[in-house]
Amino acid sequence: GNSVTQMEGPVTLSEEAFLTINCTYTATGYPSLFWYVQYPGEGLQLLLKATKADDKGSNKGFEATYRKETTSFHLEKGSVQVSDSAVYFCALTAGYSSASKIIFGSGTRLSIRP
Amino acid sequence: ETGVTQSPTHLIKTRGQQVTLRCSSQSGHNTVSWYQQALGQGPQFIFQYYREEENGRGNFPPRFSGLQFPNYSSELNVNALELDDSALYLCASRPLQGPYGYTFGSGTRLTVV
Repeated sequence: GNSVTQMEGPVTLSEEAFLTINCTYTATGYPSLFWYVQYPGEGLQLLLKATKADDKGSNKGFEATYRKETTSFHLEKGSVQVSDSAVYFCALTAGYSSASKIIFGSGTRLSIRP
Repeated sequence: ETGVTQSPTHLIKTRGQQVTLRCSSQSGHNTVSWYQQALGQGPQFIFQYYREEENGRGNFPPRFSGLQFPNYSSELNVNALELDDSALYLCASRPLQGPYGYTFGSGTRLTVV
């Protein structure tokens, strides 16, 4: 079945450090890939997405490239800020049909020290 | 800016009771899904509705049920509440066509005591 595996947290970095959160997936066909972010006490916000191989999603300084050959969608940011502290979820949907559900990874908690 | 509104934001219920959670989606979003997020975990798919009919269900018992209405609103009903039902319940919607991501509401935090 379809699944998402992401690196376990928590991840603690100093401000302005480089961030990588690893995510790999297993899916049939050609899934769409997403990163969602959840700030404390809030719901999920879509951070970025990629819908086909070699697409790069980007938003707010975060980037992730859809790598079909390695079935990966790692999240990166060159210089993190304290405000980036949140839980990050890698996710996929397998197909465009009306029955496509989102499959989430278990989440990675990121804490940024000033 | 989110176009999905959930109510209430917080709720406390007693074991064995029934609860109804509500969601109002963006106009044109024909597909609505509900997710359960237990503390410290990723969201788990409960079920999905498309044009007022359930068209996908996760590994949840029948006491979890739902409705979708023509005005893009929906409900999640849970009967015979158990302590393990305590979680954040998220509603998400999207338009039918295209590889778009879902738009999530802020969730309802349900506590069962």
